[in-house]
Parts: sequence; structure tokens; C-alpha cells
Amino acid sequence: DSGVTQTPKHLITATGQRVTLRCSPRSGDLSVYWYQQSLDQGLQFLIQYYNGEERAKGNILERFSAQQFPDLHSELNLSSLELGDSALYFCASSTGSSSYNEQFFGPGTRLTVL
Amino acid sequence: DQQVKQNSPSLSVQEGRISILNCDYTNSMFDYFLWYKKYPAEGPTFLISISSIKDKNEDGRFTVFLNKSAKHLSLHIVPSQPGDSAVYFCAAIGGTSYGKLTFGQGTILTVHP
Repeated sequence: DSGVTQTPKHLITATGQRVTLRCSPRSGDLSVYWYQQSLDQGLQFLIQYYNGEERAKGNILERFSAQQFPDLHSELNLSSLELGDSALYFCASSTGSSSYNEQFFGPGTRLTVL
Repeated sequence: DQQVKQNSPSLSVQEGRISILNCDYTNSMFDYFLWYKKYPAEGPTFLISISSIKDKNEDGRFTVFLNKSAKHLSLHIVPSQPGDSAVYFCAAIGGTSYGKLTFGQGTILTVHP
């Protein structure tokens, strides 16, 4: 158990809908990272927050947004969903702001868009 | 643009033998490399890492080798155990201190008893 929790575990929705994925980092960790893993792909970095502020952005679509709240949990919002958004979404946390800090991953949320 | 590539989608090895997982990269700015292991229904867990100033790092049964001139790294598992059966991802960092851990596609390792 990494100490990182993600809810829900599974999510099935329809095209055009909007969903919110939630992540609680390990106690004491200030950084939260979001990754997307599509079929047969490695994990693609989406975005990083550190202590409530956006720190780095990767290949995140404009239809996706994220935020980190004062209690350090984070939410990833996916809107106008398309079939191609079906994937595993992982959240990771680390103590500092640098990606050189070890990242601890949650179990992921599997999103299926029908 | 796949900057980190694991060209073998799968590897099958007998228990007790050596497992060698390979990874190639293209970005010369990468200066830190990691291997993660992932079991089904779990997130990736950190296994071992190596800085670009080294060419080898060992931790128990796991050794990572880095060949900077070839932009190639490999993970050796000796001896392999059935519990090592998992997906292995290599990842790299460099050029910036924030975010952007770049992952390969993963290699499924199966260790047969």
C-alpha cells in the first residue's frame, strides 16, 4: 500500500459527459502528479501540482483540468469525454516539488467511455 | 515522439534464471533513470534507479546498467522468482526539475516455476 488513495476505482460513462477523479496523497506529501495510461501505452504525464499550485504541465488536453485543494487532495476533471479518453488514470505523490523525488503511485481509476 | 522505448512487450523466463529487460532513450538531456514494477490492479512501485554519472547500480537481486553512449539501460534480475512476474516500466527524468517523468510502454515479465 503506497498510501496514495484514488476514487473511484472504476468509472463507466458516455461520450460527452464530464467526470471527476479524486486523489489523496500520502500524508506529508505536497506534490501530486496525474498520469494517463492508454492501452499498450506507457504512463503519460498530464500535470503536477505542488502545495496547491500548478507546477508542470504535460500532454494534458484542454478538455481536462485539475486542481489541488488546501488539504492537498487533488481532482482531475475530464469533460466532453470521447471514446479515446478511456484509460487508466494514475495519481502519484511526492514530498518535494522536483520529479527527482520518489513518486508513490495510487492504484488508479479505470475510466471507460462508451 | 516516444523518447523512452521498451521494444520487448513481453519476456518469459524460467525460475532461477536471469531476466534482462531493456530500455532505450533518445533524449540526451535525461540524467536520471528509474525502473518501476506494476502488478495488476495496483499502481507502479519504484524498484531501482540510476544517475547518469554511474553505469551500474545494484540492489539485492536487481541491477540496473546504463550505457550512455548507446542511450540504453537494462534491468537484470538474478535469480528470477515467480513473484517477479509483473509489468516493468523504465522511466527517465532530465532537462527540468519539475514534473515530466517519461515512461516507456512497459514489458510484461513472466517467470515460470
